[in-house]
Amino acid sequence: DAKTTQPNSMESNEEEPVHLPCNHSTISGTDYIHWYRQLPSQGPEYVIHGLTSNVNNRMASLAIAEDRKSSTLILHRATLRDAAVYYCILPSGNTGKLIFGQGTTLQVKP
Amino acid sequence: KAGVTQTPRYLIKTRGQQVTLSCSPISGHRSVSWYQQTPGQGLQFLFEYFSETQRNKGNFPGRFSGRQFSNSRSEMNVSTLELGDSALYLCASNPYGSSYNEQFFGPGTRLTVL
Repeated sequence: DAKTTQPNSMESNEEEPVHLPCNHSTISGTDYIHWYRQLPSQGPEYVIHGLTSNVNNRMASLAIAEDRKSSTLILHRATLRDAAVYYCILPSGNTGKLIFGQGTTLQVKP
Repeated sequence: KAGVTQTPRYLIKTRGQQVTLSCSPISGHRSVSWYQQTPGQGLQFLFEYFSETQRNKGNFPGRFSGRQFSNSRSEMNVSTLELGDSALYLCASNPYGSSYNEQFFGPGTRLTVL
């Protein structure tokens, strides 16, 4: 799997937008970009994924750079419940295998 | 639709014992993956099963094994437990075992080895 680089931690204020960056300069043309998050004492949960175009769902938006070497997960209005570790993952091939890095720990302040 | 379930949720064993953990995927999902999470190493991939066959394996010793049944339920077994095996064991299911699809994680089994 291609390697990803994320900041170790970020802080946000409640109800403000949060932009979580991820660099993946060795991404291949067929690698999807997945984001998962893990809330305290829970298993990871899927957030969003995309290939080339920007994607939106009820949880977040995913902005993908034109060269696909980086992407940004956007939480439009952070809540205290969004405090979690966010993982950017590039699974490859016909597989369910995910390689987790250290992720970004997001702290949301009231 | 019911989510991924894992049993038991908590387990305490002593060194040298063996343990079996169970995972029931979402109905219709054919791929089940297992992960180990520790404070020091984070989330690490153990193995993936698809249609009863092991398709991928992580870098873990042979003491860690698994299997998948025809109904897609999966078990993982750890023999000769060591203190370092204390961890949260998570399983995830995926409809087709494809990188296109999202993974659905269970709540995990917390294993403590004394």
